[in-house]
Amino acid sequence: SYELTQPPSVSVFPGQTASITCSGDKLGDKYVCWYKQKPGQSPVLVMYGDSKRPSGIPERLSGSNSGNTATLTISGIQATDEAEYYCQAWASSAAWVFGGGTQLTVL
Amino acid sequence: QVQLQESGPGLVKPSQTLSLTCSVSGVSVTRGSFYWTWLRRPAGKGLEWIGHSYGSGTTNYSPSLGSRVAISVDTSKNQFSLDLRSVTAADTAVYFCAINWALDAFDVWGPGTSVTVSS
Repeated sequence: SYELTQPPSVSVFPGQTASITCSGDKLGDKYVCWYKQKPGQSPVLVMYGDSKRPSGIPERLSGSNSGNTATLTISGIQATDEAEYYCQAWASSAAWVFGGGTQLTVL
Repeated sequence: QVQLQESGPGLVKPSQTLSLTCSVSGVSVTRGSFYWTWLRRPAGKGLEWIGHSYGSGTTNYSPSLGSRVAISVDTSKNQFSLDLRSVTAADTAVYFCAINWALDAFDVWGPGTSVTVSS
């Protein structure tokens, strides 16, 4: 079965840039989405189609996808960015797959 | 405005069937262009896609859940449902329903409902 791998945690200071990676076999051939989830809340879509931002998502967030790795980049980190982030892609076996999630901590 | 709301028992006994409903407002479940989807997040773990129904009732399910899961759409009540059979403690999770409303991704989610499997 298809798997997506994310680092369990990323820590950054306010104002810095955070990069969260998502790896999978030939991931660059698929479209990747990213979700942000805070404790006790539903996930929120923050990136789709590799690099498209939904309405209301700040330009500080950007996405890329090439080769075997997709990356969500958040610049000018703020305390409100602290959350769990998940990547998602459509596996060829007619199933959606999520990465294990990355906890972004703002120091 | 599209809204989703999960409902169902918060406690299910092991080996029984977990049944949840997602009530939909703002759009008809007869619209075949949407993936009427169930997902979950077990405590201490990440998001997991359970499965979806789309089109005229075509379903896809997570291979890891296999034949234990069934998703159906009730057009008379404008809702869709999840049945998960033979549950164990590993099925304890917050369950979410979601759809791809405006984008090619899950951009509308319900608030989630917590389900515990315990005797």
